[in-house]
Amino acid sequence: QVQLQESGPGLVRPSETLSLTCTVSGDSITSGHYYWGWIRQSPEKGLEWLGDVHHSGTTYHNPSLKSRVTMSVDTSKNQFSLNLGSVTAADTSVYYCARHYGSDFDFWGQGILVTVSS
Amino acid sequence: DIQLTQSPSALSASVGDRVTITCRASQSIREWLAWYQQKPGKAPKLLIHRASVLESGVPSRFSGSGSGTEFSLTISSLQPDDFATYYCQHYNNFLFTFGPGTKVDIK
Repeated sequence: QVQLQESGPGLVRPSETLSLTCTVSGDSITSGHYYWGWIRQSPEKGLEWLGDVHHSGTTYHNPSLKSRVTMSVDTSKNQFSLNLGSVTAADTSVYYCARHYGSDFDFWGQGILVTVSS
Repeated sequence: DIQLTQSPSALSASVGDRVTITCRASQSIREWLAWYQQKPGKAPKLLIHRASVLESGVPSRFSGSGSGTEFSLTISSLQPDDFATYYCQHYNNFLFTFGPGTKVDIK
């Protein structure tokens, strides 16, 4: 069974960079035709896809976030990561990592609450 | 960009009821729609993909239908474990869009 686990700070100061890591177990991040994604959820915006990364390093991100999102993969650790720059209070959300297979996300992490506050 | 709307936004139902949730797309998305169930404090769980294909392990009381711009998720006989929020989701060319959700609670 594939499992994903988010990790990172729960509090980030405004204007700084939010950095999260997702550790994958039960499957290799390099196997199959999977992409690995980040989704966040807040009462104001609902569920919002942030971006996907492939083990090759190819990334796709939500255009609404412009250039604030960067993603990377560490195949040696079976992890992938998210950086979201210049955060504001509006970026306060629960952040999920998930496996993208086909046209949907079939396995999700449990989520991590990140609060942006000084 | 394609927008998804869901109706109703919330409903109250009893165990054993038949429940139908609708998701509408702002333009045709063929059958590229998925449905998720989310319980408080938990991640969404994929129920159905490609509009009508049930994920492995999902009870057969769940079903999905539709194509183009109108889709539905039906629970044929609501069970206590089904009280949750349901979301539709569309994918096209590396852009994912989620609907606003429908909360199903106990009458």
